[in-house]
Amino acid sequence: DAGVTQSPTHLIKTRGQQVTLRCSPKSGHDTVSWYQQALGQGPQFIFQYYEEEERQRGNFPDRFSGHQFPNYSSELNVNALLLGDSALYLCASSLTGRMVTEAFFGQGTRLTVV
Amino acid sequence: RKEVEQDPGPFNVPEGATVAFNCTYSNSASQSFFWYRQDCRKEPKLLMSVYSSGNEDGRFTAQLNRASQYISLLIRDSKLSDSATYLCVVNIWSGGYNKLIFGAGTRLAVHP
Repeated sequence: DAGVTQSPTHLIKTRGQQVTLRCSPKSGHDTVSWYQQALGQGPQFIFQYYEEEERQRGNFPDRFSGHQFPNYSSELNVNALLLGDSALYLCASSLTGRMVTEAFFGQGTRLTVV
Repeated sequence: RKEVEQDPGPFNVPEGATVAFNCTYSNSASQSFFWYRQDCRKEPKLLMSVYSSGNEDGRFTAQLNRASQYISLLIRDSKLSDSATYLCVVNIWSGGYNKLIFGAGTRLAVHP
């Protein structure tokens, strides 16, 4: 049973460019949440997708957008990259509808903006 | 004020020591609570859930005080392999959806 997989693992982009990160959730999970983790900080909630719609959103600008596909996989898009977008981007999968649910994380995509 | 606050650390302890981490949360809508462990440059992994009655898993004991909005993690007989960052996490349940809110993490370094 594959866990949560993310691609790519590392990425270097230039300021102003756009980037797309991908995530496949754990088998049986239907919900994908995206987090940004800056160096020395805890993960910060970006948004959550369920049934191909954004259900919750953290305090991130509209430059951050996403998508969920019928197979529950998800993409995170960031437009007009800034140096401050450099971080580890984590995808977490879970099951909606259960009050207490364990979230499983992918290994992350380390984005460097130069 | 941050929604989840933790001891800043780092904690540098010798093998065999007992170490305690504290965490407070501000959102009274928080429904469930966890400690995650994160190794350097790796993803967070669930260490244990935290219940009001307290729970223990081997050398690890977690406690929750809902009235004080306080969570703790106690590690006894520290091992070198316990060196990692420990993240306090609260789960907010709203409208049928869960959202995990993380603390900044406390780094633990166990030395020989």
